[in-house]
Order: sequence, then structure tokens, then C-alpha cells
Amino acid sequence: LAKTTQPISMDSYEGQEVNITCSHNNIATNDYITWYQQFPSQGPRFIIQGYKTKVTNEVASLFIPADRKSSTLSLPRVSLSDTAVYYCLVDYYNQGGKLIFGQGTELSVKP
Amino acid sequence: DTGVSQNPRHKITKRGQNVTFRCDPISEHNRLYWYRQTLGQGPEFLTYFQNEAQLEKSRLLSDRFSAERPKGSFSTLEIQRTEQGDSAMYLCASSFEDRGLGEQYFGPGTRLTVT
Repeated sequence: LAKTTQPISMDSYEGQEVNITCSHNNIATNDYITWYQQFPSQGPRFIIQGYKTKVTNEVASLFIPADRKSSTLSLPRVSLSDTAVYYCLVDYYNQGGKLIFGQGTELSVKP
Repeated sequence: DTGVSQNPRHKITKRGQNVTFRCDPISEHNRLYWYRQTLGQGPEFLTYFQNEAQLEKSRLLSDRFSAERPKGSFSTLEIQRTEQGDSAMYLCASSFEDRGLGEQYFGPGTRLTVT
């Protein structure tokens, strides 16, 4: 059964690096992993996407180990404005195209 | 382009009534998705379109729910005979992709309250 699992909450301080891990045990070779950020009363906003090894953009990095059963979103030097809920989304394309979000990780950044 | 828009932003209805929501995607996007999100949970996939074709429907989408995307432009999601359990935020997203999963741009959502 396809499932996407992530921690419910995390705390951090300004300037620290934050790593949020998502578990997706039944992922197949070509299934994509995407991370979104959501603020209250807004729709989710795309952060980063990948399906193997490492992807980096101007705001985050995504690490995917060889077995692809998990992935880690890395946010360098967080600020107060990064306080939000972060969602992992897996497109289980090879299992009928089911798009499954994790339950979200509420990140609280403190001064 | 101003992004994905959804109307109305809020809807309060009585149990048993029908409601219809509209989503206007980013104009050049060929894919359109509908999700439902309840408080404290991640969005739940409902259905998606590639152009005007509805390609996938979640088993969460009962026969009271129907979605259309005429001419591959805007989309509507209708819920018939609403129930209190339908109270949620309904999110629409669009993307441009010819294969795989692209970056989805989400609208602000329509919050439905069924009394």
C-alpha cells in the first residue's frame, strides 16, 4: 500500500540548517518526489522535485538515497519566514498515478 | 498571468444542497488537479485532467462528486447532496507537463462549510 510518511513537527532556530525526512517505502523507479511549503490560508507552493541522488536549487536541496525509500529536504540557514508546513508528495506513477501527500511537517523557526 | 484562481473562496451550505466550485488554471498549463484538504492533514488527491480528458479519479471521489474541464480550460467541481463530512478546503492546481509530474501551481482554495 503506497504511503508517504513524515514527522509531524520540528523546531529550529534562525540561521540553522533544517532537514526534514519523508518515508515512501513503496516507491518505484520512476516515481517523482516533490516538496511543497504551505502557509495558513494559502495553497501549497513548490519547493523542489527529484527522483534520484541530489537536486539543488536556490532555496533547498533534496537528497534521495539509492534505495529511494526515503528522501530528505534540506533548508539551509532558515529564517523566521520559513515557519510553515512542509509536505512531501510522491507520484506513485507505476501504481496507477496516485498522488499521495504526507501529513505535513510543521516547522517552527525561533529567533 | 496572475496564477491559479478559484471561486468562490468561501462557501457555506446546508446539508443536502448542491455546490459547484470553479478553477481557472494558468493559461498555458495542460494539466489540472483537484485536491481536498482537511485541517491538519495533507491535501488528498481527487482527480486530474490532461487538457479536457479526465485521466484519474481517486476512490475518495464518490458518485456525489463530479468534475469537468470543458475545452481544456477552466474546471468545475460539483458536489451533490452535500454532507457534513464534505466540509474541507478544496484546492485546485495546474501544471504543464508532457510526461511525469511537473511543478504544480496551487490556487488559494475554496473553503466549504456544510451545516
